[in-house]
Amino acid sequence: GENVEQHPSTLSVQEGDSAVIKCTYSDSASNYFPWYKQELGKGPQLIIDIRSNVGEKKDQRIAVTLNKTAKHFSLHITETQPEDSAVYFCAATKNTGFQKLVFGTGTRLLVSP
Amino acid sequence: GAVVSQHPSWVICKSGTSVKIECRSLDFQATTMFWYRQFPKQSLMLMATSNEGSKATYEQGVEKDKFLINHASLTLSTLTVTSAHPEDSSFYICSATYGTGGEKLFFGSGTQLSVL
Repeated sequence: GENVEQHPSTLSVQEGDSAVIKCTYSDSASNYFPWYKQELGKGPQLIIDIRSNVGEKKDQRIAVTLNKTAKHFSLHITETQPEDSAVYFCAATKNTGFQKLVFGTGTRLLVSP
Repeated sequence: GAVVSQHPSWVICKSGTSVKIECRSLDFQATTMFWYRQFPKQSLMLMATSNEGSKATYEQGVEKDKFLINHASLTLSTLTVTSAHPEDSSFYICSATYGTGGEKLFFGSGTQLSVL
């Protein structure tokens, strides 16, 4: 089955810096890669996703890149703000009609003012 | 759009009692819902997949008689933790599919269960 690894487990940056979180997956058949942000005591929120037929996707300060050959994808946050502080999870799945997501282990991002 | 509502947000119960958690898709029909369990500072662990009108599919190692799942309508799934014990204390999260291909997945706000 699919296995998703995520690095780093914690990331501390200064406000305004960029943050990059990386994930690798094992199943070459996986074709959908969402990223979630989870704040303390809350459920994960979908922040961006990418399909395997696309190499990069941007949404304001957030971007995701996908390298299918190497089987890794990354989340890039530019101009970080304190409110970006949260735990971020990557995930991967095959589009089988419903999403049985396999999650990474999470990255705790701390943005200091 | 794509709002998933989960209740209660937290519950404290005595050992041996049962607790029901509700998950509702407010503005879309969810043919499939998922239930996860999350321990502190850990990732989400899929417990079961719930399809409307049929029996839930449980992941390996998850006791189906302990974690009863009912998906009676396209907007409601429930998880009942039966005869709860302290080791069942955890953060439980539901999610539902959204989108023409069932691709996007949206999560409820989670339920913190504490069993005394």
